[in-house]
Amino acid sequence: ETGVTQTPRHLVMGMTNKKSLKCEQHLGHNAMYWYKQSAKKPLELMFVYNFKEQTENNSVPSRFSPECPNSSHLFLHLHTLQPEDSALYLCATGQSSSYNSPLHFGNGTRLTVT
Amino acid sequence: DQQVKQNSPSLSVQEGRISILNCDYTNSMFDYFLWYKKYPAEGPTFLISISSIKDKNEDGRFTVFLNKSAKHLSLHIVPSQPGDSAVYFCAASAEVGANNLFFGTGTRLTVIP
Repeated sequence: ETGVTQTPRHLVMGMTNKKSLKCEQHLGHNAMYWYKQSAKKPLELMFVYNFKEQTENNSVPSRFSPECPNSSHLFLHLHTLQPEDSALYLCATGQSSSYNSPLHFGNGTRLTVT
Repeated sequence: DQQVKQNSPSLSVQEGRISILNCDYTNSMFDYFLWYKKYPAEGPTFLISISSIKDKNEDGRFTVFLNKSAKHLSLHIVPSQPGDSAVYFCAASAEVGANNLFFGTGTRLTVIP
């Protein structure tokens, strides 16, 4: 099994829809992250959870709502999105207590908002 | 304002030759640097890292060089192989943990057989 699994791989949704992205990790890491990758832009950190507690919200609009019910799962709930929210959404995990610990990424969810 | 910059969006290299990917940063507080590799339809995978106490780190065909005075790092791949064709992201961190990991925009490397 891969270390970080994201579902769905692809998602097309209208601006009035509500959907959720799911991330599951099997690495025992204590930190989980949501990143957004838009075309020709660097990966943008959206949210950080350490030990299931949200420790960072990088000025993300409220139409994105994260949830971390346990140390293995992370969700990103989406509602009333805009076309400019179309992007690749990547989940990552790491050991926040371990300096210099690289992040492990999932394969991402390619989101298209119509 | 981007704190980590990869000014070359793409690079093509012949198989067997050296690939050199460059990265510049602006924040002098960065003290840990990483390179990630990304294939299409996959997430980035960690490749190699370097701490600011070193100026070189080598792992097989991959070597990362750090020039702190110039705020510049580079990734050397030698010899380049077709399987190295991917997008390479440079990233930097200034604090404990990865909460403040800043990424560049990536360089697409194509290794021509």
